[in-house]
Amino acid sequence: GDSVTQMEGPVTLSEEAFLTINCTYTATGYPSLFWYVQYPGEGLQLLLKATKADDKGSNKGFEATYRKETTSFHLEKGSVQVSDSAVYFCALTGSGNTGKLIFGQGTTLQVKP
Amino acid sequence: DTAVSQTPKYLVTQMGNDKSIKCEQNLGHDTMYWYKQDSKKFLKIMFSYNNKELIINETVPNRFSPKSPDKAHLNLHINSLELGDSAVYFCASSPGLLQSTEAFFGQGTRLTVV
Repeated sequence: GDSVTQMEGPVTLSEEAFLTINCTYTATGYPSLFWYVQYPGEGLQLLLKATKADDKGSNKGFEATYRKETTSFHLEKGSVQVSDSAVYFCALTGSGNTGKLIFGQGTTLQVKP
Repeated sequence: DTAVSQTPKYLVTQMGNDKSIKCEQNLGHDTMYWYKQDSKKFLKIMFSYNNKELIINETVPNRFSPKSPDKAHLNLHINSLELGDSAVYFCASSPGLLQSTEAFFGQGTRLTVV
């Protein structure tokens, strides 16, 4: 079945460091890919998405490119801030039009001043 | 205005009790979902409804019963609560079922069964 694998966390960085969180997927068909962020004590918020191969999603300095050839959707940011500390989830929409999201296990990011 | 709102935010209850979590969305969306987040933060879908019709039921114990009185509401009733039901439950909604559609999540309900 469809699945998403994210790099193990936690990831600890200093402010202004470069961030990469790896995400790879297995899916039938052509899923859409998402990154959601969960700040402490809150629900999930969409960070960015890409709906077809080679699309780049971007928001708040974060970027991810839908790479069909490597089945990847890695999240990057050039300079992280303390306020970026959160749990990041990679997800895809499952096969068939059900709206179902399949999530990776989440990666905790801690940014230190 | 909160787009997807759940009540209560916290719920502590004893084993064997029956409890409900309510969810409402004011986005005009057709589709609503319940997701469960376990203690390791792993998220998994439980149910989805589209225009009040059950679309997804992901091998959830039948102690869990969703109810959608209208498109804007999706409640979750849990009978005979067990320790393993302790988790954070998220309600979400989306405009429809297309693969490209993003979901909007509520703040979550942290259920603790003691």
